[in-house]
Amino acid sequence: EPEVTQTPSHQVTQMGQEVILRCVPISNHLYFYWYRQILGQKVEFLVSFYNNEISEKSEIFDDQFSVERPDGSNFTLKIRSTKLEDSAMYFCASIVGLAGGQETQYFGPGTRLLVL
Amino acid sequence: KNEVEQSPQNLTAQEGEFITINCSYSVGISALHWLQQHPGGGIVSLFMLSSGKKKHGRLIATINIQEKHSSLHITASHPRDSAVYICAATYNTDKLIFGTGTRLQVFP
Repeated sequence: EPEVTQTPSHQVTQMGQEVILRCVPISNHLYFYWYRQILGQKVEFLVSFYNNEISEKSEIFDDQFSVERPDGSNFTLKIRSTKLEDSAMYFCASIVGLAGGQETQYFGPGTRLLVL
Repeated sequence: KNEVEQSPQNLTAQEGEFITINCSYSVGISALHWLQQHPGGGIVSLFMLSSGKKKHGRLIATINIQEKHSSLHITASHPRDSAVYICAATYNTDKLIFGTGTRLQVFP
């Protein structure tokens, strides 16, 4: 069965450093998402991406964050200058995107980011 | 504001018990989703429903549109069902609005 993959599974970085989290969505999917979950808190939406553009972003997704689909398979989340509060599990998800809000999302296994 | 509320936050059960987790949401959803988060953190979609009831194995999800309420039931619970169960909603876009999750522990 097709699955969403994410790399790395864990990342430790120093405050102020740039990190890039990578995702490979399911191949025929058109909409991609990043969510994050701070330890002990609920999962929060960061950004959605369709047709090489951001379609929606949350208040969390400020200028320190960017997303890109650099080729036909990868979908990346970049944090330019990490802060301690960026420590979280980051999930990528994808959907085909044709069912108007009524579609199962497929999640990757997550990248656990720790900022020291 | 679009919100999703879940109860209880924590639930313990003996193997074999019938389990119910509740979710309420604000008006205007496109669909209600139930997901399972494993101890390692991975998230798996269990159900997506906009009306009625769905069943998969020992799991049953129901939704009452008028009351803006959904329930996830687990029949004949087993220790391997131990996980966090999360209710989430989509409104006029496909982004998921998550509830806080219910941590279930089933003891043998």
